[in-house]
Amino acid sequence: EAGVTQSPTHLIKTRGQQATLRCSPISGHTSVYWYQQALGLGLQFLLWYDEGEERNRGNFPPRFSGRQFPNYSSELNVNALELEDSALYLCASSVGARSVYEQYFGPGTRLTVT
Amino acid sequence: AQKITQTQPGMFVQEKEAVTLDCTYDTSDQSYGLFWYKQPSSGEMIFLIYQGSYDEQNATEGRYSLNFQKARKSANLVISASQLGDSAMYFCAMSHKTSYDKVIFGPGTSLSVIP
Repeated sequence: EAGVTQSPTHLIKTRGQQATLRCSPISGHTSVYWYQQALGLGLQFLLWYDEGEERNRGNFPPRFSGRQFPNYSSELNVNALELEDSALYLCASSVGARSVYEQYFGPGTRLTVT
Repeated sequence: AQKITQTQPGMFVQEKEAVTLDCTYDTSDQSYGLFWYKQPSSGEMIFLIYQGSYDEQNATEGRYSLNFQKARKSANLVISASQLGDSAMYFCAMSHKTSYDKVIFGPGTSLSVIP
């Protein structure tokens, strides 16, 4: 069974540009979560999608947004990129809403903003 | 406010030895969960072990055990018989048991296993 996949693996953007990150959950999983892991910090919850709806978001500005498609894959968009947006972005999926220890994580997309 | 502290930025351990990774937490919640993740250089987060705040027994999963001391608000991870593949970042985290977004992660500890 394929795990959670994310693309691209690495993404380099310049300040002010927009970045789009993609996530495909495990087959049968309906919930997708996005986390940001900045250098030297633990994960911070970004967004949670379930059944196509945004269920909750963490303490991030509105320029962080996303959506979930009918096939449950998800996209994270970061507008007006700032240098401090450089981080590893992890996507996780679960069967319905689950606590984080029951979520399956992808390998992440490393975003570098120059 | 909830907070997770991991005071060891980096640790070294000899292969086959045991190692303890420290984690202390702060919360006013009565019901919460504590857990540990391993993050190898490839980036993915691998769930290791979970301890509920009302669990009386310390959690164990194979070579991993969680030394839970509620009064001291500590949840240390013990890895027995370290292996080279254990070299990774280790994150301690805490969540309210029924909340899917109130998750707090610590800054992590980098563990290096020496042959």
